[in-house]
Amino acid sequence: GAGVSQSPSNKVTEKGKDVELRCDPISGHTALYWYRQSLGQGLEFLIYFQGNSAPDKSGLPSDRFSAERTGGSVSTLTIQRTQQEDSAVYLCASSPFVGEGQDTQYFGPGTRLTVL
Amino acid sequence: AQKITQTQPGMFVQEKEAVTLDCTYDTSDQSYGLFWYKQPSSGEMIFLIYQGSYDEQNATEGRYSLNFQKARKSANLVISASQLGDSAMYFCAMRLLGRGRRALTFGSGTRLQVQP
Repeated sequence: GAGVSQSPSNKVTEKGKDVELRCDPISGHTALYWYRQSLGQGLEFLIYFQGNSAPDKSGLPSDRFSAERTGGSVSTLTIQRTQQEDSAVYLCASSPFVGEGQDTQYFGPGTRLTVL
Repeated sequence: AQKITQTQPGMFVQEKEAVTLDCTYDTSDQSYGLFWYKQPSSGEMIFLIYQGSYDEQNATEGRYSLNFQKARKSANLVISASQLGDSAMYFCAMRLLGRGRRALTFGSGTRLQVQP
C-alpha cells in the first residue's frame, strides 16, 4: 500500500515568510507525528496527534510553529515568520496506534525547508 | 529525560562481512522500546528492527539482529553479510511506553559504508 506522503519535497522561502508543510499518513493509521532533522540538532520530535485527543505539542520549539490535523487524516505544519534556523528537513510519520507496545512509526520522505 | 548515544560517527565494512553498530541509552523508566532505522541518501527513514525492554530474547529480522544487553543499557545493531545497499545512515531510537508517551528520541546516527 501507499506510504506516508509529504509535500512539497523542497521549499525555499525568504526569512519572515510563512510556510505550510503537508503530510498524508498511511491509510488506517490513527497516530501522526512531526519531527525535524537538522545538522546541528539531529532528529527532534515536534508534535503528535492521536485520534480526537489533544495533540502532544511538547516538542514545538516556539509559538511560530503550529500544526493541525483535519478529519483525522491529513496534517499541516505551519511555520510563521520563518527564521534561518528553521532550515531543516521536516519528517512526518504515522503509526497504527495498536496500544502501548511496539507501534512502529513509519516515515515519509520529508520536506527540505531552506530559509534564505 | 531519556538519551540515546551512538559513538561511531562512521563505519566501514567489507561486503559480505558482519558489522555491529553501537547504541547505548539512558532512562530511569523500566518500560521502553528500542528501534533502529536506516536512512539512505534518498532521505526516507526505514524501520529495521524493534526490541521491547521486557523482551527476553534478542530481536531478529532477516540479516538484522539486535544485541540487547539491558544491564549495560545497550542495544547494538548487528548486520550480517553486508551488502552494498546497506550503505546508509543508521539511527537508534527509543520510546518510553505507557502513559501516552509516543515521541521517539533519536541518537546522532552512524554512517555505514560498505566497500566492495
